[in-house]
Amino acid sequence: DAKTTQPPSMDCAEGRAANLPCNHSTISGNEYVYWYRQIHSQGPQYIIHGLKNNETNEMASLIITEDRKSSTLILPHATLRDTAVYYCIALINTGTASKLTFGTGTRLQVTL
Amino acid sequence: GAVVSQHPSWVICKSGTSVKIECRSLDFQATTMFWYRQFPKQSLMLMATSNEGSKATYEQGVEKDKFLINHASLTLSTLTVTSAHPEDSSFYICSAEPGVRGNQPQHFGDGTRLSIL
Repeated sequence: DAKTTQPPSMDCAEGRAANLPCNHSTISGNEYVYWYRQIHSQGPQYIIHGLKNNETNEMASLIITEDRKSSTLILPHATLRDTAVYYCIALINTGTASKLTFGTGTRLQVTL
Repeated sequence: GAVVSQHPSWVICKSGTSVKIECRSLDFQATTMFWYRQFPKQSLMLMATSNEGSKATYEQGVEKDKFLINHASLTLSTLTVTSAHPEDSSFYICSAEPGVRGNQPQHFGDGTRLSIL
C-alpha cells in the first residue's frame, strides 16, 4: 500500500469548511483512498473513500486530483464534534479484506 | 449501516490474570476481523488478522501465545490477553469488513480500554 503524508494538525472555525490534505504520490492504479477519523477514546469511524472520481456523502466530500497523487477531504460545515484525528489511507483492492495501516493522521481542532 | 460491537468497553484487573475481549459484527458476517492496539498519543497498530475457522495471522513482534485469538463464527472474534501485565495496558480495537474489498469499508468497534494493576 502506498505511503500517505498528512499535516500533523489543523485548526478550523466552527461553521467553516475544513479542508484536510493528503499526499499519496506513489499510489498505484488500483489503490483506493480511504478516510477515517478517530474521536478521542473511540474506535475509528469510516468517512468516505474513492478511486478516481470525486465522492460525496452525508459526512464529507473527497476530491482526488487527476493524477491521483493527492486528495482533500472536505467537511463543508465543521462543528465542534468534528474535532478528531483524521487518517488518510491508501489501500489496494485484493478482493479480500485487507489490513489498514494507520499513519499519524491530522489532528483537526474545531474552535468557536 | 454495518455495526461492530466490542465488549467490554473498559476492564481493570490484577497483574497475572487473563482478560477476554469480544468483537461482534451485529448485522453482517465477517470472515476476517482485525485486532489493533493503541497506546496513548500514538496511532493504531495492527496486532493480528483473525480468520474464521483458521489460525490468526500475527504481525511481527506480537506474541501469539500471549494474545490468543479465536474466530469461531462469522460474527464473533475474541482476543484473550493471557497473564496480563501493566505493560499490556492499552486501548484494544477490532474491525471487520462486510462484502468484498473495495466495495465495503471496514468498520470498527468502540474499543476496549484495558488497565492492568
